[in-house]
Amino acid sequence: EAQVTQNPRYLITVTGKKLTVTCSQNMNHEYMSWYRQDPGLGLRQIYYSMNVEVTDKGDVPEGYKVSRKEKRNFPLILESPSPNQTSLYFCASSLPRDRGRSREQFFGPGTRLTVL
Amino acid sequence: AQSVTQLGSHVSVSEGALVLLRCNYSSSVPPYLFWYVQYPNQGLQLLLKYTSAATLVKGINGFEAEFKKSETSFHLTKPSAHMSDAAEYFCAVSEGRDDKIIFGKGTRLHILP
Repeated sequence: EAQVTQNPRYLITVTGKKLTVTCSQNMNHEYMSWYRQDPGLGLRQIYYSMNVEVTDKGDVPEGYKVSRKEKRNFPLILESPSPNQTSLYFCASSLPRDRGRSREQFFGPGTRLTVL
Repeated sequence: AQSVTQLGSHVSVSEGALVLLRCNYSSSVPPYLFWYVQYPNQGLQLLLKYTSAATLVKGINGFEAEFKKSETSFHLTKPSAHMSDAAEYFCAVSEGRDDKIIFGKGTRLHILP
């Protein structure tokens, strides 16, 4: 089944304790992205990756890191989490535009993070 | 720069009534437009997309949307609401110059029995 998976689905942690949220897709998509969803603010892009070893900042990158060493994986790293990073996080992937195919993004199920 | 405005953070309709969720976009080039739905405790899934092939786009679950360039709108409609339509709906736009998609802030649809 074509899908985007995220782990963990739920995480409660404390300020300053490094954490990683994993994201993996099995659709051979070049493009991957991380979003955070907050009430009243919709989805805001954190980082994205056009392909392996190519990453770039989205709209709210502060406090986050990413890496793209393999095409299928795009982990989100919080080196020193703070309470304002409490949010619902989504990973997404899509084929790149220049393939002429649908550019819809496929979303993972989300990771609900609470930083105390 | 591209942007999306969804009018109404909450919309309530009676079961069986028309659903209308409004979306206006701003784009300097012909856009790609999307509607996504998010059911409780789930990720987003695509309802429908506009990619310039036809102005009236039909999606899943009986939803459709019409692209109106003159009004820069892409409103989502469904003739008869069902209880299972209760969810949050997001309009999104992409200009296609890169793979970036901008999402609106979402509209939560409530279905009244």
